[in-house]
Amino acid sequence: EAQVTQNPRYLITVTGKKLTVTCSQNMNHEYMSWYRQDPGLGLRQIYYSMNVEVTDKGDVPEGYKVSRKEKRNFPLILESPSPNQTSLYFCASSVPGRTTEAFFGQGTRLTVV
Amino acid sequence: GDSVTQMEGPVTLSEEAFLTINCTYTATGYPSLFWYVQYPGEGLQLLLKATKADDKGSNKGFEATYRKETTSFHLEKGSVQVSDSAVYFCAPRDYGQNFVFGPGTRLSVLP
Repeated sequence: EAQVTQNPRYLITVTGKKLTVTCSQNMNHEYMSWYRQDPGLGLRQIYYSMNVEVTDKGDVPEGYKVSRKEKRNFPLILESPSPNQTSLYFCASSVPGRTTEAFFGQGTRLTVV
Repeated sequence: GDSVTQMEGPVTLSEEAFLTINCTYTATGYPSLFWYVQYPGEGLQLLLKATKADDKGSNKGFEATYRKETTSFHLEKGSVQVSDSAVYFCAPRDYGQNFVFGPGTRLSVLP
């Protein structure tokens, strides 16, 4: 089954404690992206990757890191989480091109206290 | 940059009512247009898309037509069901391959 898998689904952590949210896709997609969803703001892009070892900032990259060492994986790293990073996070992947759909993971609800 | 405006809602309708969710966009290029739906506790799923002017996307009774002259992609359904209760996102995708998501419109359908 074609899917994007994020882990964990829920996470509560404390300010400053490094964490990683994993994202893996089994569709051999070159393009992957991370978004955060906040009430009233919709989805905002954090980082994206056009292919292995190619990453770029989205609209809200501050406080986040990513890496793309393999095509299937695109982890999101919060080196020193802060309460304003409490949000719902989504990973997505797609074939490159403006006409193709993106496939989304189930989401990770992160709470930083 | 590209942007999307859509009615935020919440929109509350009775079952079998007609639904319209407006979406307008600004884009420097010639984007494809998508509607995604997010059911409670889930990720986003593609509902429908249109890739060029005057194309109509349709799925599950929902329709939207790509109107280049008015830069709009309004979502419609003739008769909504309780199971349509969800958040709906309009999203252009440009030649740079990034999606631009609107704020989402929450729809509640009452029995």
